[in-house]
Amino acid sequence: KNQVEQSPQSLIILEGKNCTLQCNYTVSPFSNLRWYKQDTGRGPVSLTIMTFSENTKSNGRYTATLDADTKQSSLHITASQLSDSASYICVVTRPEVTGRRALTFGSGTRLQVQP
Amino acid sequence: NAGVTQTPKFQVLKTGQSMTLQCAQDMNHNSMYWYRQDPGMGLRLIYYSASEGTTDKGEVPNGYNVSRLNKREFSLRLESAAPSQTSVYFCASSASGGSGANVLTFGAGSRLTVL
Repeated sequence: KNQVEQSPQSLIILEGKNCTLQCNYTVSPFSNLRWYKQDTGRGPVSLTIMTFSENTKSNGRYTATLDADTKQSSLHITASQLSDSASYICVVTRPEVTGRRALTFGSGTRLQVQP
Repeated sequence: NAGVTQTPKFQVLKTGQSMTLQCAQDMNHNSMYWYRQDPGMGLRLIYYSASEGTTDKGEVPNGYNVSRLNKREFSLRLESAAPSQTSVYFCASSASGGSGANVLTFGAGSRLTVL
């Protein structure tokens, strides 16, 4: 069964600290993996995308890693800010023969950054 | 620069009532989607439309119908609402349904409560 598991479910850190969020997937075949940020009461917004050949990709203070062999990804947030408080969702895409995209969403990690 | 617009933002229904969630995008995207988001679960695809005039069932289509009115608009209808349909609904769009690399742009969500 194609699944995406994220850990931890929730996390509280102090402003200025770093943190790492984990994503493990069993989705196969694999097209790409994307991290989304979802602020409370808003829709998810894409942070970064990882394809099979990419190991690391950065977007400002966000750095995503991918190990396609172990089917694991992480999102590292450096020097956290209050505005980083949100849910972070890992989404894995499978290529579909019919052209219909198949995305499997993780349930997200709820991050709270405290002053 | 509206992106994806959903209406209404909030709705309370009684069991058995019907309603339609409206979605419009102004990015000239071909593909549009309806997802539901429940606590502790990832977003689940209800229906998908690769282009104007076509729709496909997603993971959880039972109890829902959709209409791709034109390229811009994709509506979701609940004919006879049930408490199990209490959820937050997200409309999304993307430039292409065939490539896994395309980004989903989400609306702000519609919170539906069925009593």
